[in-house]
Amino acid sequence: AQKITQTQPGMFVQEKEAVTLDCTYDTSDQSYGLFWYKQPSSGEMIFLIYQGSYDEQNATEGRYSLNFQKARKSANLVISASQLGDSAMYFCAMSTILSYQLTFGKGTKLSVIP
Amino acid sequence: NAGVTQTPKFQVLKTGQSMTLQCAQDMNHNSMYWYRQDPGMGLRLIYYSASEGTTDKGEVPNGYNVSRLNKREFSLRLESAAPSQTSVYFCASRAKGRLNTEAFFGQGTRLTVV
Repeated sequence: AQKITQTQPGMFVQEKEAVTLDCTYDTSDQSYGLFWYKQPSSGEMIFLIYQGSYDEQNATEGRYSLNFQKARKSANLVISASQLGDSAMYFCAMSTILSYQLTFGKGTKLSVIP
Repeated sequence: NAGVTQTPKFQVLKTGQSMTLQCAQDMNHNSMYWYRQDPGMGLRLIYYSASEGTTDKGEVPNGYNVSRLNKREFSLRLESAAPSQTSVYFCASRAKGRLNTEAFFGQGTRLTVV
């Protein structure tokens, strides 16, 4: 079984500041992938960033980076220079090579304050 | 490109009625998923189909059935709708075989059971 835990139901960040959204995971598989998605108030799911369990470097995509700590089973999303448009729900998800299920956490609602 | 198309976008059902949510993807993906999203619960997996011809239960399969009609289409059926099935339903698809492939989501179906 695989499980994703997001412990921050809501977060506030000042515009232009950086923010870290927490994600911990649990799986017995050695080969897995971790994903972050953004869901604005309009409802669509937008893929942000991916980290593989065997990737040696932390993933980065523009203002998004993933702080991957394998021993601690954490995959935190860091958003630098927050913008008002970053206000949204953020979901962490994982998939393993064995089951191919895609399991999501409960999400974190981020609000960017002008 | 249409991507993942879900129909309908909105639906109101009476308790006990049945309906089928349709999902089609045009990206030649092997894997398809059905999720429900409820406030504070994140996205919970109902059923998934790792490849054409296979379906598996997810976290919350009770009260639902699925059909993988062909590689493109994956439908979700509610045989006897209950108010507890009021939710937003998302279909997603994903290429199989590589972990680093993200899932693409439909726009969602907002279902209300009265």
